[in-house]
This record gives sequence, C-alpha cells and structure tokens, in this order.
Amino acid sequence: GEDVEQSLFLSVREGDSSVINCTYTDSSSTYLYWYKQEPGAGLQLLTYIFSNMDMKQDQRLTVLLNKKDKHLSLRIADTQTGDSAIYFCAESIEGTGKLIFGQGTTLQVKP
Amino acid sequence: DAGITQSPRHKVTETGTPVTLRCHQTENHRYMYWYRQDPGHGLRLIHYSYGVKDTDKGEVSDGYSVSRSKTEDFLLTLESATSSQTSVYFCAMKGDINQPQHFGDGTRLSIL
Repeated sequence: GEDVEQSLFLSVREGDSSVINCTYTDSSSTYLYWYKQEPGAGLQLLTYIFSNMDMKQDQRLTVLLNKKDKHLSLRIADTQTGDSAIYFCAESIEGTGKLIFGQGTTLQVKP
Repeated sequence: DAGITQSPRHKVTETGTPVTLRCHQTENHRYMYWYRQDPGHGLRLIHYSYGVKDTDKGEVSDGYSVSRSKTEDFLLTLESATSSQTSVYFCAMKGDINQPQHFGDGTRLSIL
C-alpha cells in the first residue's frame, strides 16, 4: 500500500538552512504537500507541488521533487526560531482526494 | 483555518460511553475528512465524505461512524469509547478533488 517516510528530528541553528526530506511510494500521486504544525494547533498548509514539476519556490521555502526516486524535500532558508514546529509531508492518492501523511519531522531551531 | 471549527476542543470521558465530535465548515466545501493523530503515526484517516450522505471508510475506521446530513457539518461518533481511542482528532475540508485540504484546530479526547 501507500507509504510516506520522514526522518523524525532535525536540529539547526538560527540563520542556517533546514532541509526536511520525505520519500513516498505511490508513483501516481498527483500532488505532494508540506504542512506545518505548531504545538496545540492544527495543520497549516505551507506549500504543495504538482507531480509534473521538479521545483517550486515560495519566499524562504523551496520544494524539490525527484519523481524517479520518489523523493521530496523542503528547504527553509534563513531558519528562524518561529520555524520550530512539526513538518508533515503528504501525498495525494489519485482520483480519491485522500492524503497519506508521513510521521512528521520535528524541527528544532537553536538561537 | 477560520472557515472550519471543531467542537468540543477538549473532552474527557469514560470507557464505554458514546462520544460525538463535530466539525463545522462555512466554505460550502464538498469534501470533509476525519483524522486521528498519535505519536509515531502522523495523521491517519478515519472516515471521509465526498458529499451530503456520501461517506467512506479510511484506514482506521473500526469503532467509528460518521454522518453528514448537511454540507456544513460532519460528525464523528465513537459508539462505545475505548482507551485506544484516546487521541487528537482533526477535521479537514476541501472544495475540489485537486485542492489542498485545510484543517481545523483539533479535538483532544481522553478516554479513561
């Protein structure tokens, strides 16, 4: 079945770049998403990429998609303490509208 | 998201009691979803709806039922709550099948 894998934890210093990685299994996924969850809150949509794209940039966020390797990454430039949160990768299942989520990566930003 | 609200936000109840969680949206969106979030599992889909009275099971549907009698409300019911259903429950919505899902703030449910 479909599966999405992420590393569980990443620690960076304020001002550095952060790269969060994700692998997925469903080659028919049409969209891939990144969500951010702050403590006690719901999931906030950060960005998403259509499966026929290789890259998408949105201010400090860059998404890279390697469809051959089924690998997705999220780069946050100039990481700030306010970026500390859990980041979820999710793939859409074609024709269903359903999402499969990874376990989430906790990003810790040290001052 | 301001357009989607969950109630209650917190609930503590006892094993064996029925529990209903409500998700309300004001966006007239067609699709609605219920997830549970547990450590180490990310979010797992319980049930979803693709229209009024149209619902289907997700990957962890056992012990849960849903109803959608009108577009704006999607109810999740635990007929007889068990301690394994202690979790944080999230509702989500979207208007079109290719749009991203937008989430409510969650309901923290504890079953003692």
